[in-house]
Parts: sequence; C-alpha cells; structure tokens
Amino acid sequence: DAGVTQSPTHLIKTRGQQVTLRCSPKSGHDTVSWYQQALGQGPQFIFQYYEEEERQRGNFPDRFSGHQFPNYSSELNVNALLLGDSALYLCASSFWDRVTEAFFGQGTRLTVV
Amino acid sequence: AQKVTQAQTEISVVEKEDVTLDCVYETRDTTYYLFWYKQPPSGELVFLIRRNSFDEQNEISGRYSWNFQKSTSSFNFTITASQVVDSAVYFCALSEARGTSYGKLTFGQGTILTVHP
Repeated sequence: DAGVTQSPTHLIKTRGQQVTLRCSPKSGHDTVSWYQQALGQGPQFIFQYYEEEERQRGNFPDRFSGHQFPNYSSELNVNALLLGDSALYLCASSFWDRVTEAFFGQGTRLTVV
Repeated sequence: AQKVTQAQTEISVVEKEDVTLDCVYETRDTTYYLFWYKQPPSGELVFLIRRNSFDEQNEISGRYSWNFQKSTSSFNFTITASQVVDSAVYFCALSEARGTSYGKLTFGQGTILTVHP
C-alpha cells in the first residue's frame, strides 16, 4: 500500500514563473492538505481539499491555488513566484471524518532563483 | 488564534541519555488535539502521538513518553535511553477538535535533536 506520494522531489524555478506540484494521497484517503515549510521553520497550513472543493485556507495570497481531482489526487499551483516561496511543500492525506489522522508525503523542495 | 511554542531550538545529547522536548501551546478552543511529529532528513513528517484535550492521562510507548498538563498548557515529550536514530527535528502541533479549523495543524518551530554515539 503506497503512502502519500509527491512529485517532483526537487524543483528549481525562476522568479516570476509558475509552478505546479502534485500529490497522490494514501490509498482510500479522500482529503488532501498542503503545507509550506520554510527552512528552519515549522510547516504552515496553505489549504485543504475535500470533494474537489477548497474547505479551509490558511493565510496565503491568491497566488497559491489548488485543485483536487475525482481520484482524490491534488495539485498546488503557485503563480508569479517570489524568492520567499522557496520552501519544502508537504502534502498530507486523510479521511474526511478522521482528518486529524493525517499522513504526510516526503515533500517537494522548491527553490526559486 | 492558536500558537505553539517550542523554546528549545537545538538539543544535543550522548546516546543513552534521556531527553525531554518542551511544548507550550495557546488556544481559545475548549476541545483540541495535540500532536508530536518527527521529521528525519528525508523530509517526511512521521506521526508519533495524538492526544485529545479531554484526556490528560500521560502515556508511555516503548522509549517514548508524553506529559500533558492542561493547567500549564504544556505537552512535553521524553525519549528514554536515546539512540542515534532518534536524531531528527521534532514538531509539536495543535488542531481544533471541531469547528471550521478542524484538521488544520498549527506547528511549533521545531526542535533539532542530535544524538551522538
């Protein structure tokens, strides 16, 4: 049984570009949350998706958007990249009715130059 | 607003020493969950424990133990007889148990634990 998988593992982008990160939840899980972890900091909640809708959102600008597909996988999109967007992006999956029992992926390391 | 504070930025111990990681939290919610996660160099957050705010019973699991004190808003984590494989970053986290932010985790800054042979 595969856990939460994220792709790509590492990514380098230039300021102003756009990026898409992908997450496949653990088998059976229907809820996906995204977190941003800057170097030396704790993860910060970006948003959560369930039934293809954004259910919660953290304090992040509209440049950060997401999508959930019918198979429960999810994408995180960031537009107009800034140097400060460089971070580890973590995806967590769970069942909607047990959302505190979340499993995390290994993350995507995004570097903006 | 919720807040989690891990005052210890880094801890260094020698193998077999006991080590306690401190966590203090703030929340206006009457019901909430507290968590500890471990983050090895691979980056994945590994779940260690979840406690409900109603359950102040302390727990021991192998070499790990947790001390939850609601009166002082603390949820400390102790590793007994530490091993080199325990070296990682440890995060304390908090979530509402219900309401619009249910499931949204608020993390502390993390404590880097290094266990030397």
